[in-house]
Amino acid sequence: DTEVTQTPKHLVMGMTNKKSLKCEQHMGHRAMYWYKQKAKKPPELMFVYSYEKLSINESVPSRFSPECPNSSLLNLHLHALQPEDSALYLCASNQLGANEQFFGPGTRLTVL
Amino acid sequence: AQKVTQAQTEISVVEKEDVTLDCVYETRDTTYYLFWYKQPPSGELVFLIRRNSFDEQNEISGRYSWNFQKSTSSFNFTITASQVVDSAVYFCALSEARGDYKLSFGAGTTVTVRA
Repeated sequence: DTEVTQTPKHLVMGMTNKKSLKCEQHMGHRAMYWYKQKAKKPPELMFVYSYEKLSINESVPSRFSPECPNSSLLNLHLHALQPEDSALYLCASNQLGANEQFFGPGTRLTVL
Repeated sequence: AQKVTQAQTEISVVEKEDVTLDCVYETRDTTYYLFWYKQPPSGELVFLIRRNSFDEQNEISGRYSWNFQKSTSSFNFTITASQVVDSAVYFCALSEARGDYKLSFGAGTTVTVRA
């Protein structure tokens, strides 16, 4: 299994809603990443989990809350988002030493 | 600090033309990794190639080829005999070779191949 899966594919939520994005990989990778990508821009790193511990938080607002329940799963909990948070959210994983990151298909989030 | 520059924002070609995407990078590290990713309209970033800083050998994979020149800090990508399916945004990226191997992406080049 050489893929990263993400659910849901699309999500529409109001500013008072609470929702979660899910990412899963079964490649035995020990690092997992969340990126945010706005239209016509490159991905921006949000969080990195290394060996299931949060190692990088790129000054992301607290309305985004990551969670890594185990080495295969990565969640992103969303609460009280703003319309400007609408974007494509990408998850990635890598084996650290091997270095290339493998990306999931993303979740297209719309905040109304 | 690491920086990747893709000077071409958009390139439009007719099918079967060759297209070259430029990538210039800056880093103080002596060991680093360079990548190219393809992002079709569906949104998923597809890994194309990784090159280590100590390996300047050029590479060819089918219609794709990469030219790594450390002397000019460039890692250019050529698509030969382009096809409509090559239409996508292409990102060049640079990674440190330590810690969490953070990726620094270029701004991306949108390639449109017309039939």
